[in-house]
Amino acid sequence: TQLLEQSPQFLSIQEGENLTVYCNSSSVFSSLQWYRQEPGEGPVLLVTVVTGGEVKKLKRLTFQFGDARKDSSLHITAAQPGDTGLYLCADNTGANSKLTFGKGITLSVRP
Amino acid sequence: KAGVTQTPRYLIKTRGQQVTLSCSPISGHRSVSWYQQTPGQGLQFLFEYFSETQRNKGNFPGRFSGRQFSNSRSEMNVSTLELGDSALYLCASSLDGTPIYEQYFGPGTRLTVT
Repeated sequence: TQLLEQSPQFLSIQEGENLTVYCNSSSVFSSLQWYRQEPGEGPVLLVTVVTGGEVKKLKRLTFQFGDARKDSSLHITAAQPGDTGLYLCADNTGANSKLTFGKGITLSVRP
Repeated sequence: KAGVTQTPRYLIKTRGQQVTLSCSPISGHRSVSWYQQTPGQGLQFLFEYFSETQRNKGNFPGRFSGRQFSNSRSEMNVSTLELGDSALYLCASSLDGTPIYEQYFGPGTRLTVT
Protein backbone atom coordinates (compact mmCIF):
# COMPACT_ATOMS: atom_id res chain seq x y z
CA THR A 1 0.00 0.00 0.00
CA GLN A 2 1.39 3.35 -1.03
CA LEU A 3 2.03 5.87 1.75
CA LEU A 4 2.33 9.59 1.15
CA GLU A 5 4.07 11.62 3.83
CA GLN A 6 3.76 15.38 3.91
CA SER A 7 5.90 17.73 5.94
CA PRO A 8 5.73 19.80 7.92
CA GLN A 9 2.31 18.96 9.31
CA PHE A 10 1.65 22.54 10.45
CA LEU A 11 3.17 25.84 9.38
CA SER A 12 2.40 29.35 10.60
CA ILE A 13 4.19 32.22 8.93
CA GLN A 14 3.98 35.96 8.46
CA GLU A 15 2.69 37.53 5.28
CA GLY A 16 5.52 38.09 2.81
CA GLU A 17 7.64 35.13 3.90
CA ASN A 18 8.67 32.30 1.59
CA LEU A 19 8.05 28.64 2.40
CA THR A 20 8.60 25.16 1.05
CA VAL A 21 6.61 22.05 1.91
CA TYR A 22 7.17 18.47 0.87
CA CYS A 23 5.44 15.31 -0.22
CA ASN A 24 7.24 11.96 -0.22
CA SER A 25 6.00 8.61 -1.41
CA SER A 26 6.92 5.09 -0.40
CA SER A 27 6.72 4.14 -4.09
CA VAL A 28 7.00 5.83 -7.47
CA PHE A 29 4.17 8.20 -8.23
CA SER A 30 1.89 7.46 -11.16
CA SER A 31 0.96 11.12 -11.39
CA LEU A 32 1.16 13.60 -8.56
CA GLN A 33 -1.48 16.17 -7.84
CA TRP A 34 -1.45 19.06 -5.38
CA TYR A 35 -4.69 20.35 -3.94
CA ARG A 36 -5.60 23.19 -1.60
CA GLN A 37 -8.58 22.89 0.70
CA GLU A 38 -10.12 25.78 2.59
CA PRO A 39 -12.25 25.25 5.70
CA GLY A 40 -15.73 23.99 4.88
CA GLU A 41 -14.91 23.35 1.24
CA GLY A 42 -13.68 20.51 -0.92
CA PRO A 43 -10.10 20.31 -2.22
CA VAL A 44 -9.31 22.35 -5.31
CA LEU A 45 -6.80 21.00 -7.81
CA LEU A 46 -3.72 23.23 -8.15
CA VAL A 47 -1.47 21.23 -10.44
CA THR A 48 -0.70 17.81 -11.86
CA VAL A 49 2.87 16.68 -12.51
CA VAL A 50 3.80 13.54 -14.36
CA THR A 51 7.39 13.69 -15.59
CA GLY A 52 10.38 13.32 -13.26
CA GLY A 53 12.19 16.63 -12.80
CA GLU A 54 9.17 18.59 -13.97
CA VAL A 55 8.69 22.12 -12.62
CA LYS A 56 5.40 23.96 -12.87
CA LYS A 57 4.55 27.48 -11.77
CA LEU A 58 1.19 28.86 -10.77
CA LYS A 59 1.62 32.57 -9.97
CA ARG A 60 3.61 32.59 -6.70
CA LEU A 61 3.50 28.79 -6.33
CA THR A 62 6.26 26.60 -7.75
CA PHE A 63 5.81 22.84 -7.87
CA GLN A 64 8.75 20.53 -8.39
CA PHE A 65 8.65 16.80 -9.07
CA GLY A 66 11.67 14.75 -8.07
CA ASP A 67 13.78 13.07 -10.75
CA ALA A 68 12.95 9.65 -9.35
CA ARG A 69 9.23 10.54 -9.13
CA LYS A 70 9.05 9.68 -5.44
CA ASP A 71 9.00 13.18 -4.01
CA SER A 72 7.66 16.64 -4.69
CA SER A 73 7.93 20.10 -3.22
CA LEU A 74 5.72 23.16 -3.23
CA HIS A 75 7.38 26.55 -2.82
CA ILE A 76 5.34 29.67 -2.13
CA THR A 77 6.96 33.05 -2.65
CA ALA A 78 5.80 36.05 -0.63
CA ALA A 79 2.95 34.21 1.06
CA GLN A 80 -0.37 36.01 1.47
CA PRO A 81 -3.27 35.38 3.88
CA GLY A 82 -5.23 34.02 0.93
CA ASP A 83 -2.74 31.14 0.75
CA THR A 84 -4.03 29.85 4.09
CA GLY A 85 -5.45 26.36 3.86
CA LEU A 86 -4.75 22.64 3.87
CA TYR A 87 -2.34 21.56 1.15
CA LEU A 88 -2.76 17.98 0.04
CA CYS A 89 -0.70 15.87 -2.28
CA ALA A 90 -2.27 12.89 -3.99
CA ASP A 91 -1.28 10.14 -6.35
CA ASN A 92 -3.46 8.63 -8.97
CA THR A 93 -2.62 4.96 -8.86
CA GLY A 94 -3.95 4.52 -12.35
CA ALA A 95 -6.80 2.45 -10.97
CA ASN A 96 -9.90 4.17 -12.25
CA SER A 97 -9.81 7.56 -10.56
CA LYS A 98 -8.76 6.33 -7.14
CA LEU A 99 -6.58 8.92 -5.43
CA THR A 100 -4.30 8.21 -2.48
CA PHE A 101 -3.83 11.33 -0.35
CA GLY A 102 -1.27 12.45 2.14
CA LYS A 103 -2.51 13.75 5.50
CA GLY A 104 -1.91 17.33 4.39
CA ILE A 105 -0.07 20.43 5.52
CA THR A 106 -2.01 23.09 7.39
CA LEU A 107 -0.68 26.50 6.41
CA SER A 108 -1.61 29.68 8.22
CA VAL A 109 -0.40 33.02 6.86
CA ARG A 110 -0.76 35.86 9.35
CA PRO A 111 -1.38 39.41 8.06
CA LYS B 1 -19.98 25.28 -16.21
CA ALA B 2 -21.46 24.46 -12.81
CA GLY B 3 -19.26 22.61 -10.35
CA VAL B 4 -19.90 19.48 -8.34
CA THR B 5 -22.83 19.88 -5.99
CA GLN B 6 -23.55 17.87 -2.85
CA THR B 7 -26.64 17.75 -0.72
CA PRO B 8 -27.24 18.17 2.09
CA ARG B 9 -24.27 20.24 3.27
CA TYR B 10 -24.80 19.39 6.93
CA LEU B 11 -26.47 16.44 8.59
CA ILE B 12 -26.91 15.27 12.16
CA LYS B 13 -27.92 11.68 12.77
CA THR B 14 -28.19 9.35 15.71
CA ARG B 15 -26.16 6.18 16.12
CA GLY B 16 -27.91 3.23 14.47
CA GLN B 17 -29.73 5.30 11.87
CA GLN B 18 -28.95 5.30 8.19
CA VAL B 19 -28.18 8.22 5.88
CA THR B 20 -28.15 8.96 2.16
CA LEU B 21 -25.94 11.62 0.62
CA SER B 22 -26.29 12.95 -2.90
CA CYS B 23 -23.80 14.18 -5.48
CA SER B 24 -24.33 15.81 -8.88
CA PRO B 25 -21.17 15.79 -11.02
CA ILE B 26 -19.97 18.39 -13.47
CA SER B 27 -21.94 18.16 -16.70
CA GLY B 28 -20.31 15.65 -19.03
CA HIS B 29 -18.36 13.91 -16.28
CA ARG B 30 -19.17 10.22 -16.09
CA SER B 31 -17.00 9.16 -13.17
CA VAL B 32 -17.97 9.90 -9.58
CA SER B 33 -15.80 9.05 -6.59
CA TRP B 34 -16.54 9.32 -2.90
CA TYR B 35 -14.08 10.08 -0.11
CA GLN B 36 -14.28 10.27 3.67
CA GLN B 37 -12.24 12.96 5.40
CA THR B 38 -11.50 12.87 9.13
CA PRO B 39 -8.86 14.71 11.18
CA GLY B 40 -7.17 11.46 12.15
CA GLN B 41 -7.17 9.54 8.89
CA GLY B 42 -7.28 12.34 6.35
CA LEU B 43 -8.92 11.72 2.99
CA GLN B 44 -9.73 8.09 2.30
CA PHE B 45 -11.20 6.64 -0.86
CA LEU B 46 -14.59 4.95 -0.49
CA PHE B 47 -15.60 3.93 -4.02
CA GLU B 48 -15.89 5.06 -7.61
CA TYR B 49 -18.74 4.71 -10.07
CA PHE B 50 -18.67 4.95 -13.83
CA SER B 51 -21.65 4.39 -16.10
CA GLU B 52 -23.73 3.13 -13.19
CA THR B 53 -21.16 0.48 -12.25
CA GLN B 54 -18.85 0.41 -9.26
CA ARG B 55 -15.35 0.27 -10.74
CA ASN B 56 -13.22 0.59 -7.65
CA LYS B 57 -13.70 0.21 -3.92
CA GLY B 58 -11.73 1.24 -0.88
CA ASN B 59 -11.32 -0.56 2.44
CA PHE B 60 -14.56 0.34 4.14
CA PRO B 61 -17.15 -2.00 5.68
CA GLY B 62 -20.23 -3.06 3.78
CA ARG B 63 -22.31 -0.51 5.69
CA PHE B 64 -21.02 1.97 3.14
CA SER B 65 -22.63 1.61 -0.26
CA GLY B 66 -23.39 3.72 -3.26
CA ARG B 67 -24.99 3.85 -6.63
CA GLN B 68 -24.98 5.91 -9.77
CA PHE B 69 -27.88 6.84 -11.97
CA SER B 70 -28.06 7.10 -15.75
CA ASN B 71 -27.57 10.88 -15.56
CA SER B 72 -24.30 10.28 -13.63
CA ARG B 73 -25.71 11.59 -10.37
CA SER B 74 -24.61 9.45 -7.46
CA GLU B 75 -25.80 8.63 -3.98
CA MET B 76 -23.94 7.22 -1.05
CA ASN B 77 -25.62 5.35 1.79
CA VAL B 78 -24.34 4.53 5.24
CA SER B 79 -26.39 2.12 7.31
CA THR B 80 -26.28 1.50 11.07
CA LEU B 81 -24.35 4.66 11.74
CA GLU B 82 -21.53 4.62 14.27
CA LEU B 83 -19.96 7.54 16.09
CA GLY B 84 -16.79 7.03 14.05
CA ASP B 85 -18.70 7.73 10.85
CA SER B 86 -18.73 11.42 11.74
CA ALA B 87 -16.75 13.01 8.94
CA LEU B 88 -16.78 15.22 5.89
CA TYR B 89 -17.92 13.17 2.91
CA LEU B 90 -16.59 14.44 -0.38
CA CYS B 91 -17.70 13.63 -3.85
CA ALA B 92 -15.46 14.16 -6.87
CA SER B 93 -16.20 13.91 -10.55
CA SER B 94 -13.89 13.19 -13.42
CA LEU B 95 -14.23 13.34 -17.16
CA ASP B 96 -12.66 9.90 -17.57
CA GLY B 97 -11.01 8.82 -20.75
CA THR B 98 -8.27 11.37 -20.04
CA PRO B 99 -4.73 10.09 -19.47
CA ILE B 100 -4.63 11.54 -15.99
CA TYR B 101 -7.71 11.31 -13.85
CA GLU B 102 -7.98 14.86 -12.58
CA GLN B 103 -10.83 15.03 -10.16
CA TYR B 104 -13.00 17.99 -9.20
CA PHE B 105 -14.42 17.98 -5.71
CA GLY B 106 -17.70 19.20 -4.32
CA PRO B 107 -17.96 21.15 -1.04
CA GLY B 108 -18.78 18.01 0.92
CA THR B 109 -21.46 16.90 3.36
CA ARG B 110 -20.59 17.29 7.02
CA LEU B 111 -22.10 14.30 8.85
CA THR B 112 -22.26 14.29 12.61
CA VAL B 113 -23.34 11.12 14.39
CA THR B 114 -24.48 11.51 18.00
